Amino acid sequence: DADVTQTPRNRITKTGKRIMLECSQTKGHDRMYWYRQDPGLGLRLIYYSFDVKDINKGEISDGYSVSRQAQAKFSLSLESAIPNQTALYFCATSPGQGDQPQHFGDGTRLSIL
Amino acid sequence: ILNVEQSPQSLHVQEGDSTNFTCSFPSSNFYALHWYRWETAKSPEALFVMTLNGDEKKKGRISATLNTKEGYSYLYIKGSQPEDSATYLCASPYTGNQFYFGTGTSLTVIP
Repeated sequence: DADVTQTPRNRITKTGKRIMLECSQTKGHDRMYWYRQDPGLGLRLIYYSFDVKDINKGEISDGYSVSRQAQAKFSLSLESAIPNQTALYFCATSPGQGDQPQHFGDGTRLSIL
Repeated sequence: ILNVEQSPQSLHVQEGDSTNFTCSFPSSNFYALHWYRWETAKSPEALFVMTLNGDEKKKGRISATLNTKEGYSYLYIKGSQPEDSATYLCASPYTGNQFYFGTGTSLTVIP
């Protein structure tokens, strides 16, 4: 089983719909992150969390919200999806600060029509 | 926003060739520099995390160096093999928390 699991792996939906992407981890890491990847651009940070009570905005948080339900679970929501949120989304975990490597899930490919 | 840049954008080499690519980042308030390997249809995997100026790390045929004073890191692959074909990403965490990634170098090794 994967250490960092993202569901769903693929999703096609329509403009205006509410969507939730889920991430769960068995690594026991405190830190969790959500990124999006667009062609020609690097991974861009949406939100990150250091524990259940600590949520922080990343570079591109507008249009997104998150919930850290437990140490092992971090969900990303698009309240009203729009086509320019079509992208590949990655969840990642880390055991500590920036001198520790990130561990990525397999990604969720989201298409908004 | 931290400006992390990688070059070249893509690279095609023959099997057996050695190659290298560059990651540049702001040298002020440096915390760490990460390298990841990202194969198609898979998730990025960590290669190296470097924190000290002059750091050199090695994993098999892949190695990396770090110059924090001038703000660059090199990734070297010796004797490239087809299985080295991937996109190589570098990232730097601002204040140790918020990660900024480069756009990656796509390497294709031709058998």
